[in-house]
Amino acid sequence: NAGVTQTPKFQVLKTGQSMTLQCAQDMNHEYMSWYRQDPGMGLRLIHYSVGAGITDQGEVPNGYNVSRSTTEDFPLRLLSAAPSQTSVYFCASSGATGIHNSPLHFGNGTRLTVT
Amino acid sequence: GNSVTQMEGPVTLSEEAFLTINCTYTATGYPSLFWYVQYPGEGLQLLLKATKADDKGSNKGFEATYRKETTSFHLEKGSVQVSDSAVYFCALRARGSYIPTFGRGTSLIVHP
Repeated sequence: NAGVTQTPKFQVLKTGQSMTLQCAQDMNHEYMSWYRQDPGMGLRLIHYSVGAGITDQGEVPNGYNVSRSTTEDFPLRLLSAAPSQTSVYFCASSGATGIHNSPLHFGNGTRLTVT
Repeated sequence: GNSVTQMEGPVTLSEEAFLTINCTYTATGYPSLFWYVQYPGEGLQLLLKATKADDKGSNKGFEATYRKETTSFHLEKGSVQVSDSAVYFCALRARGSYIPTFGRGTSLIVHP
């Protein structure tokens, strides 16, 4: 059972480049989300989705785009990378039935460095 | 709005010591409460949860009790091991809200 799979594990970008962080889950979870984790800042929500075709902004959405064309996949796009986007990015999912009782399932993260 | 406050770390203990990591919350209604653990280089994983007042969640020797009167969910373990060294996050999920609220995380370092 793979759970939440994130690719790539590591990435180095130059300022201005674009890229897509991939996230896939095999648990048929309706809710998916992206976080960034920076030292001393905890987890900050970037975007989230409550089902295919539905996305919404979190706390720090600027510079990022998402789409949700299938239940399984929730890619995060960096439009024009900036050094401030150097971070560890986590994708997380949960079921939506009884959602307030449902824990999040996290991927192992993508470590992104922008130079 | 909802919020979760955790004690700041790092918490440094010797092996076999007793652990408490404090967590208090603010939320409307009756949220569910969670502890997650993050080992170095990994994502967060659920450690335990409690969904109503006076529930006790437990896993791997860790325990936490949902105390509505004090709005707390403190994490405890009777005898920590070096392998428990990690970052611990307290979180809540309120009824009617998709988005969880996380604390800042508490780093635990256990020395042999």
